[in-house]
Amino acid sequence: QVQLQESGPGLVKPSGTLSLTCAVSGGSISSGNWWSWVRQPPGKGLEWIGEVYHSGSTNYNPSLKSRVTVSVDKSQNQFSLKLSSVTAADTAVYYCARNDGWCQDYWGQGTLVTVSA
Amino acid sequence: QSALTQPASVSGSPGQSITISCTGTSSDVGGYNYVSWYQQHPGKAPKLMIYDVSNRPSGVSNRFSGSKSGNTASLTISGLQAEDEADYYCSSYTTSSSYVFGTGTKVTVL
Repeated sequence: QVQLQESGPGLVKPSGTLSLTCAVSGGSISSGNWWSWVRQPPGKGLEWIGEVYHSGSTNYNPSLKSRVTVSVDKSQNQFSLKLSSVTAADTAVYYCARNDGWCQDYWGQGTLVTVSA
Repeated sequence: QSALTQPASVSGSPGQSITISCTGTSSDVGGYNYVSWYQQHPGKAPKLMIYDVSNRPSGVSNRFSGSKSGNTASLTISGLQAEDEADYYCSSYTTSSSYVFGTGTKVTVL
């Protein structure tokens, strides 16, 4: 059973960089799956952020592409998200997930990141 | 990319059937058979209910079914139960090699 766990600061200052890591257990990040980040502002809907393959290949949401970097660390069996120039609009619960084909089948529990001075 | 359009809310009585629509464009829903549906209870992570338009993952009740016609996908829940009360989101792969989620639908069991 694959498990994913997000970690990182819960508070980020405006104009700063949000950094999160997703630890994968119960399976290998080099398994042939893509790995995604999804976020959900409080009381709002889901937004896909981007994905990474174990080779380092990435795809991003066009509306966030200029500010997002998703990377993989095979030695640690984890992948990461960096979102730069954050504003209050980036306050959200951030989820990491495993892609299976063209859907997300395993999800982390989510971590709330608040952007505030 | 714009979010896929879903009704804000749908309700039904126990035992009834309800259908949630998900409308996109030829660049997403209409262009691929890669529509998935997720159930989300308050404070919980989304759960995959349907993938590739109409396939159910192992362990998901056969009361949940999916379909697609043109640029609109649908999720039907038959034999509605109290535990089905949740938010539901559709998602589609897009021509931008990305994914787009729907606006979300709150299902209420009366």
